[in-house]
Amino acid sequence: EVQLVESGGGLVQPGGSLRLSCAASGFTVSSNYMSWVRQAPGKGLEWVSVIYSGGSTYYADSVKGRFTISRDNSKNTLYLQMNSLRAEDTAVYYCARAHSISWWFDPWGQGTLVTVSS
Amino acid sequence: NFMLTQPHSVSESPGKTVTISCTGSSGSIASNYVQWYQQRPGSAPTTVIYEDNQRPSGVPDRFSGSIDSSSNSASLTISGLKTEDEADYYCQSYDSSNGGVFGGGTKLTVL
Repeated sequence: EVQLVESGGGLVQPGGSLRLSCAASGFTVSSNYMSWVRQAPGKGLEWVSVIYSGGSTYYADSVKGRFTISRDNSKNTLYLQMNSLRAEDTAVYYCARAHSISWWFDPWGQGTLVTVSS
Repeated sequence: NFMLTQPHSVSESPGKTVTISCTGSSGSIASNYVQWYQQRPGSAPTTVIYEDNQRPSGVPDRFSGSIDSSSNSASLTISGLKTEDEADYYCQSYDSSNGGVFGGGTKLTVL
């Protein structure tokens, strides 16, 4: 079964850091485009970042320079390192596989909540 | 920046047909594929339409997608509405400058 399971969310103070993990099963992370999408409370979906199978990485302007997407091929796991966190980064963070031609996000993980507050 | 615009909300009665639009801000929406996701409260999004008009297995054929190049828009049509269709729906595409792009979401009420 193809599945994604996120972890690592929690409460962090403004200016702090957090690393999210996304463990994949049923497919190989390194052979696919993998993405992070977030959803602030009561708001819509916002694309955050992608890592291509070749290793190239891209970010939304809102997180560029603060967030880093990476993967560990041996663990078949995707990561999102989040630094200099702001209140507006508070959201549920989902990882998802992005199909390379259509950018169809499927499957999605269940999400992990990040709260940035003092 | 490329944006996708959806109506904030739509409502319709059970058994009827509803169409949700998704309009591209620039360029041609037909240049890249459009997906549609359903999201119920407290749950992750799930796909109802991918690559403009394809249904994943398990999604009933009451759901259909289309592209209208003349209006630079995509549409999700749900026929034979059921109360279980009540959810938020998001369109999504890709832009070479901005990566993944989502519409703002449409709340469907079936009453």
